[in-house]
Amino acid sequence: EVQLVESGGGLVQPGGSLRLSCAASGFTFSGYWMSWVRQAPGKGLEWVANIKQDGSEKNYVDSVKGRFTISRDNAKNSVYLQMNSLRVEDTAVFYCVRAVWFGELFDYWGQGIPVTVSS
Amino acid sequence: DIQMTQSPSSLSASVGDRVTITCRASQAIRDYLAWYQQKPGKAPQLLIYAASALQSGVPSRFSGSGSETDFTLTISSLQPEDVATYYCQKYHSGPTFGQGTKVEIK
Repeated sequence: EVQLVESGGGLVQPGGSLRLSCAASGFTFSGYWMSWVRQAPGKGLEWVANIKQDGSEKNYVDSVKGRFTISRDNAKNSVYLQMNSLRVEDTAVFYCVRAVWFGELFDYWGQGIPVTVSS
Repeated sequence: DIQMTQSPSSLSASVGDRVTITCRASQAIRDYLAWYQQKPGKAPQLLIYAASALQSGVPSRFSGSGSETDFTLTISSLQPEDVATYYCQKYHSGPTFGQGTKVEIK
């Protein structure tokens, strides 16, 4: 059974940093692209970033470029999202997602982890 | 950038009704279109990909159709467990979601 478990969320002040982690199990982690998708309170879904199987390719939505960094450790079956210079508008539930079709089609989702940016 | 527009934003229907949700792309995207279901308080789940291919385990009352710019998700006979928000998403040249359609029981 595919499982994706996020951790590291919480409350942070504007301008602060947070690192999300996602532990994967139940599939061959090194064989899949991984992504992060977020959902602001009461709003729709927004893709944030994805990373290729070997970490050689990373893509980001324009609004987080230069502030967020996605990475992975295939030995630990984990993917990470380092979030710097956080803004109030980054407040959302962040989902770790297994992705196919070059990292853009999302076939398994974690339960989500809330991130609140507020003073 | 290609925009994805869903209609309606919400709908209310009776159990057993046929429900149709529309998704329109601002440019042609062939069949690179997926549908997701998000039940209240839960993570989204993939229902359909390649516009019409049913993801494993999804009930057959769900179906998808369309190509290029116009797509539809149909629930042939609405069930109480189908109460959810449904999102379309293109997955070519950057994943982009529609704004969602909330489905309720009348």
